[in-house]
Amino acid sequence: DTAVSQTPKYLVTQMGNDKSIKCEQNLGHDTMYWYKQDSKKFLKIMFSYNNKELIINETVPNRFSPKSPDKAHLNLHINSLELGDSAVYFCASSPGWGENYGYTFGSGTRLTVV
Amino acid sequence: DQQVKQNSPSLSVQEGRISILNCDYTNSMFDYFLWYKKYPAEGPTFLISISSIKDKNEDGRFTVFLNKSAKHLSLHIVPSQPGDSAVYFCAASSLLSGTYKYIFGTGTRLKVLA
Repeated sequence: DTAVSQTPKYLVTQMGNDKSIKCEQNLGHDTMYWYKQDSKKFLKIMFSYNNKELIINETVPNRFSPKSPDKAHLNLHINSLELGDSAVYFCASSPGWGENYGYTFGSGTRLTVV
Repeated sequence: DQQVKQNSPSLSVQEGRISILNCDYTNSMFDYFLWYKKYPAEGPTFLISISSIKDKNEDGRFTVFLNKSAKHLSLHIVPSQPGDSAVYFCAASSLLSGTYKYIFGTGTRLKVLA
């Protein structure tokens, strides 16, 4: 069983569309994250939820909206997609907030905006 | 401003020899460091970590060294194996900041030659 699963793995869409990326973890972790890997391979945190509550909200356009229906799921919705949104998006989870455990990452969603 | 830097984008090493991957950081508040390994089309997997109260942590073939005065850490892989060929990310966090988010370097691509 995949510990942290993201769907879809690949997403090609046109500018201006709205799309969602889903993430689910079956590790029983309390904390989930979204990271964006840019073209230079730099991994940057976007959002973090702990037990369905938003705890990290980095400076990202408000076209990006995370949603956590329960602590096992953290979805990312993106409105009015732009070319610059093309990147690989990684979901991750960790056992708890404030604990220095290594994260478990999903395999990534490659988003291409054309 | 990149607080965590991996200045070598790539490294090639002969099988059986030592691989040394380096990471520098600028924020003296960082007190916990991790290394991740990433294969193509997969998410990063946690490899090894070190707290700032230590200067060395060992796990099998992998050893991480921390030099706080130089704000430098390194990952040693001995002996290197072809399966170690991947991209390695270092990450840093600060307990004192209270946010527990990790700042990632851009990665170093290791190629182990058979």
